[in-house]
Amino acid sequence: GENVGLHLPTLSVQEGDNSIINCAYSNSASDYFIWYKQESGKGPQFIIDIRSNMDKRQGQRVTVLLNKTVKHLSLQIAATQPGDSAVYFCAENPNTGNQFYFGTGTSLTVIP
Amino acid sequence: KAGVTQTPRYLIKTRGQQVTLSCSPISGHRSVSWYQQTPGQGLQFLFEYFSETQRNKGNFPGRFSGRQFSNSRSEMNVSTLELGDSALYLCASSQGQGNTEAFFGQGTRLTVV
Repeated sequence: GENVGLHLPTLSVQEGDNSIINCAYSNSASDYFIWYKQESGKGPQFIIDIRSNMDKRQGQRVTVLLNKTVKHLSLQIAATQPGDSAVYFCAENPNTGNQFYFGTGTSLTVIP
Repeated sequence: KAGVTQTPRYLIKTRGQQVTLSCSPISGHRSVSWYQQTPGQGLQFLFEYFSETQRNKGNFPGRFSGRQFSNSRSEMNVSTLELGDSALYLCASSQGQGNTEAFFGQGTRLTVV
């Protein structure tokens, strides 16, 4: 499958700090990306998406940055809270219907 | 609006048996994709159905199959179960043709003994 990889498998941050989760993708044809959050025992939860015609998109406390030149995606979480502790996945869609390729995931732990 | 519903939530089967999992997408969504999640392989795409037709297929053996009904509900079937089929099976619902938000259900945890 596609090589969608995350740079860090685990990340620990203090409550209130900002978190940055990174993702590298390999298919330059991918034009749609989603970040998901998965808590233990639950399915992935949609956080934010971005299309390849944008390089930044903001949501509530989250920002996704896309650098197509180096095929890099990042998720920034502002003022990280204990409820943000979860595994975060990036997913890319190389314009093949709704088939997504997922990264391996980064486990975020928020320290109170 | 109800989310994606998968049934059953948990399942225990014996090697060699077959299993059918069900997914009801969000109302109005016509695309359903299935994924297998394991600790070792992560989230891997199985197949996608759109308007009752399989549109994309991942790299899984023929023991894994699926179908979609006219109301967009989908089922996946795994025949001749192997221990390695133990996993969380997730379905994702999307509205349209492609490149649209995909929302996941809670998954079905399948254990093969």
